[in-house]
Amino acid sequence: KQEVTQIPAALSVPEGENLVLNCSFTDSAIYNLQWFRQDPGKGLTSLLLIQSSQREQTSGRLNASLDKSSGRSTLYIAASQPGDSATYLCAVGPNMDSNYQLIWGAGTKLIIKP
Amino acid sequence: EAQVTQNPRYLITVTGKKLTVTCSQNMNHEYMSWYRQDPGLGLRQIYYSMNVEVTDKGDVPEGYKVSRKEKRNFPLILESPSPNQTSLYFCASRSQGNTQYFGPGTRLTVL
Repeated sequence: KQEVTQIPAALSVPEGENLVLNCSFTDSAIYNLQWFRQDPGKGLTSLLLIQSSQREQTSGRLNASLDKSSGRSTLYIAASQPGDSATYLCAVGPNMDSNYQLIWGAGTKLIIKP
Repeated sequence: EAQVTQNPRYLITVTGKKLTVTCSQNMNHEYMSWYRQDPGLGLRQIYYSMNVEVTDKGDVPEGYKVSRKEKRNFPLILESPSPNQTSLYFCASRSQGNTQYFGPGTRLTVL
């Protein structure tokens, strides 16, 4: 059974630093992996979607990588800003034969200190 | 604007009083789903729908019902809510490119 883990559960860094959030999964037979951002009192916003055939995706200051063989994905945030403070969740799409149920990590709560 | 809407955003109710949380998307997506989010447990899928009149159970369907009579709407029904259904609920729809779009969430408290 696929399990998705995000460590650490919380992270606090000073503004301006580059940082990496981690996501690991137990079954490498995935269809894709997505990173989401969740702000308090709001829904989830999709940040990046990496297909299983891809190694990375970039959007602005965000770069997500995928290494299926090691069961890992990282979300790199460059030049962090206080507005980046949020909870970041990764979710794995197992395969297209299933109902496409995403398997979720519990998230990393990120605080960027001004 | 492409979006998923949910109503109500906040609801406090009592045990046993039937309630419905509405969900609507304007992106003509076929796939929609409901999740609940609880501290330390992440998101868990309650029900999903592949298309109109096609629904199926997710991981935690007990105590919930759904319907999909039209493509844009996917209401979540709690026939007899209990305190263990106190949670944050999200509706989501999925694009052809497999990106999921989430509603703003409904925070439900069952006393």
